[in-house]
Amino acid sequence: DTEVTQTPKHLVMGMTNKKSLKCEQHMGHRAMYWYKQKAKKPPELMFVYSYEKLSINESVPSRFSPECPNSSLLNLHLHALQPEDSALYLCASSQVPWGSTLPLHFGNGTRLTVT
Amino acid sequence: AQTVTQSQPEMSVQEAETVTLSCTYDTSESDYYLFWYKQPPSRQMILVIRQEAYKQQNATENRFSVNFQKAAKSFSLKISDSQLGDAAMYFCAYKARYSGGGADGLTFGKGTHLIIQP
Repeated sequence: DTEVTQTPKHLVMGMTNKKSLKCEQHMGHRAMYWYKQKAKKPPELMFVYSYEKLSINESVPSRFSPECPNSSLLNLHLHALQPEDSALYLCASSQVPWGSTLPLHFGNGTRLTVT
Repeated sequence: AQTVTQSQPEMSVQEAETVTLSCTYDTSESDYYLFWYKQPPSRQMILVIRQEAYKQQNATENRFSVNFQKAAKSFSLKISDSQLGDAAMYFCAYKARYSGGGADGLTFGKGTHLIIQP
C-alpha cells in the first residue's frame, strides 16, 4: 500500500479537454512534487510545493497548472494538452528539509493518454 | 550541476545469483544523499536503499547492499540471492543535503532494467 494516493489511475483525454490529476498524503509532509515519466526513462521534475507555496517550476508549459489547496492535497490541472504529453505522472511528498526518515514517498502515478 | 550516470541499460541474472548495478555521479558538493529506487511494472517508485555521504560505512538492507566509493564518486548496488520479484527498473538518484532550501527534486540516472531469469 502506498501512503501517497493518486487519482485517477488512468486518464484518456482529448486535446481540447480540461482534466485534473489529484494527489493526497496524510504523513504531515510539507513538500509535494509532480514528476513526469516517459516509458523507460527516469522521472523528470515538474513542480515542487514547499509549505503550500510553489518553490520550483522547471519551465513547464502553461497547459500544466499546479495547485496546492492545503498541506495534504496537490492537484495538476490539464488543458489543451498535446499527444507528446502522454506519460506517467507521479506525485511524491517529503519532509522539509529532508530528515533521517524516508526521503521521497511516491504515489502509484496516473497514466495519461492524450488523443 | 550534478549528474548521475548508469552505464548499464539492461542487466540479466539467474534467479538466486548475485548481480551488481553500477552508478557514478558528479558533484561539487561534499554532503549529499544517494539512493537506489526500484520501479516494478506496478509503476510505484520504491526506495531500496540510501546512503549519506558523510557515512563511510556502506548501507545494507537485507539482500541489498551498496559499495560507496566517495573519492571515485561511485555508488553500485549489489543484489544477492536474486528473486523473481526483483525484476524492475532500478534508478540511482542523488540529492545535495542543503540544496533548494530543503525541498527540491532528486537527480536520477537513466535507469537499469533488471531481468531475472528463472
